[in-house]
Parts: sequence; structure tokens; C-alpha cells
Amino acid sequence: QVQMVESGGGLVKPGGSLRLSCAASGFILSDHYMSWIRQAPGKGLEWVSYISGSSSYTKYADSVRGRFTISRDNAKKSVYLQMSSLRGEDTAVYYCARDKRGTYWGQGTLVTVSS
Amino acid sequence: EIVLTQSPGTLSLSPGERATLSCRASQSVDSSYLAWHQQKPGQAPRLLIYGASNRATGIPDRFSGSGSATDFTLTISRLEPEDFAVYYCQQYDNLPLTFGGGTKVEIK
Repeated sequence: QVQMVESGGGLVKPGGSLRLSCAASGFILSDHYMSWIRQAPGKGLEWVSYISGSSSYTKYADSVRGRFTISRDNAKKSVYLQMSSLRGEDTAVYYCARDKRGTYWGQGTLVTVSS
Repeated sequence: EIVLTQSPGTLSLSPGERATLSCRASQSVDSSYLAWHQQKPGQAPRLLIYGASNRATGIPDRFSGSGSATDFTLTISRLEPEDFAVYYCQQYDNLPLTFGGGTKVEIK
């Protein structure tokens, strides 16, 4: 069955960096766009970034452009989100999702930015 | 940026009742790129509807979507206990991809 498992979240100080990973299984990763979507505590959903199946296209929300980088390794069945210059407002659960429409979602990983 | 406004913010209904959730876009959205997601407390969202009216895999037929351009609707024909949750609409037509603020369906 289709499954995505995120990892790499944790507590980081403002200005710090973190790399999130999303391990995908149950489908051919290279056939699909992959997205990162986040949810601040008690808030709604915010799209962060997506990447095309071949990595040709990457797009970002204005709030993270220049600080976050999405990438993927189809051979390793994984998608990544490199986050730098982290701010308090980046505190959220980060979800990996298949396709732009979020056909399937992972369980999320919590990133807390605090001193 | 396309802003999606969901109403009402909270819907208080009893099991067996019909729920009608609205999603209004600030500009026209190609209906092929409008989705609805359900999120229960402590869980990840789950896709219910894509392309405005297509049920995702495994979604019961009591869930239906309709609408076009700037007005979209999610209808739950008869609420089951497991349907009490927060529902989000999403457009994936234009960048940035955006979500509505959500409608909470709670037990009356």
C-alpha cells in the first residue's frame, strides 16, 4: 500500500538548519510530483514546496523561498526538505504528500524552532 | 494568490444529518484542480475529493463534491460518527497552492 514516512524533525534554534526526509513506498516515486505541506500548532494547512518526478521543476511558497530546498532521490525512494535560516514561524508539523493535490499524506514530523 | 474562504467556520450537526460545506475562491479556479481533505485530531489529512467532484480511492459515496469557477461545495449526505472532523478545500491550479481555513464539523 502507499505509504510515506517523514523523519528528521526536532528542536532547533532560530537561524539553525534541519533536513527532513520522506521515505515513500507502494508506488513508483518517479511517476509523481511530491509536495511538502506544513501545519503550525492549532492552525490550518500551508503549502511549502513541490518537486516534479524528474526533479526538473521545483516551486516554493514565498515564505520559504531562498531558505528551503526540496530535492529527491528516486533510487532511494526518498524526498527531502533542507531548511535553513529557520524562524519561529517555521514551527509546524511538516507533511510529505504525493502529488500536488495530496493524494496520500505521511503522518508528519514536528519541527520546533525555539531558543 | 488565490484565497479560498470556507464557510461556515463551524458546523454543529447530529449524526444522520446532511452537511453542506462551502469553499469560495477569490478568482476562478479550474474545477479540475480543486480538492477537499478531511483531518481528524492528531491525524494527517486525507484526500476525499479531487477535480471538484471525483471521490478518492476508498471514500464512501456519502461524500460528494460539486461546483465550478469560484464556488465549490462538499456535501456529506448522512453524517456518520467518524465524519466529525475538520475539512479543508485546496486549489492546485495556480501557484502558490492554497488551502482554505477549514470548516469544523462537530457533534451537536
